[in-house]
Amino acid sequence: DIQMTQSPSSLSASVGDRVTITCRASQSISTYLNWYQQKPGKAPKLLIYAASSLQSGVPSRFSGSGSGTDFTLTISSLQPDDFATYYCQQSYSTPPWTFGQGTKVEIQ
Amino acid sequence: EVQLVESGGGLVKPGGSLRLSCAASGFTFSSYTMTWVRQAPGKGLEWVSSISAGGTYIYYADSVKGRFTISRDNAKHSLYLRMNSLGAADTAVYYCAGLYSGNYSVHFDFWGQGALVTVSS
Repeated sequence: DIQMTQSPSSLSASVGDRVTITCRASQSISTYLNWYQQKPGKAPKLLIYAASSLQSGVPSRFSGSGSGTDFTLTISSLQPDDFATYYCQQSYSTPPWTFGQGTKVEIQ
Repeated sequence: EVQLVESGGGLVKPGGSLRLSCAASGFTFSSYTMTWVRQAPGKGLEWVSSISAGGTYIYYADSVKGRFTISRDNAKHSLYLRMNSLGAADTAVYYCAGLYSGNYSVHFDFWGQGALVTVSS
């Protein structure tokens, strides 16, 4: 199975900060990498698909990049609504489709 | 508006069984691969099982293979998960999700609100 490793596991940041979360796959997954945001008690929400495509309705301060094994989610200017947990997920080939362990973004 | 509504969660004793349902509306259910994803309390997301649009292709995580059965009824716009031989490790919120599958992307496009399954004596 393909393992996904996110870093950091958590981070503290202030409103307006630029935030970067990384995700590494245990083998090449091309650009079959998605990013989700989850708030407490809520279902995950798709932010970025195919490594860099912004889901409809998602603010442009979110961006994704990478291919192969290394990927990045960037929030260009952190807003109060962005404090949440972020997960990467690979969808390369057939299942199992695995998630990273999550990165919790907290208020500094 | 796309809606997925899970039901059937609850408290079950170790070794017991439970059947989750997911009622879909607002999209062409019969065209979508559907998936169950779970999240144990305070933990991350775990893909559990997927079923193709017509039900031909079915996949399970190793952790549930042989104990869980996914199925769907396209006429009723419904997805199901039959869970047998439940153990404490199966305690989680179970999400129903619709999978978009295209040439360059496969992703969970939309999600239900989740159903809590608690396995405890």
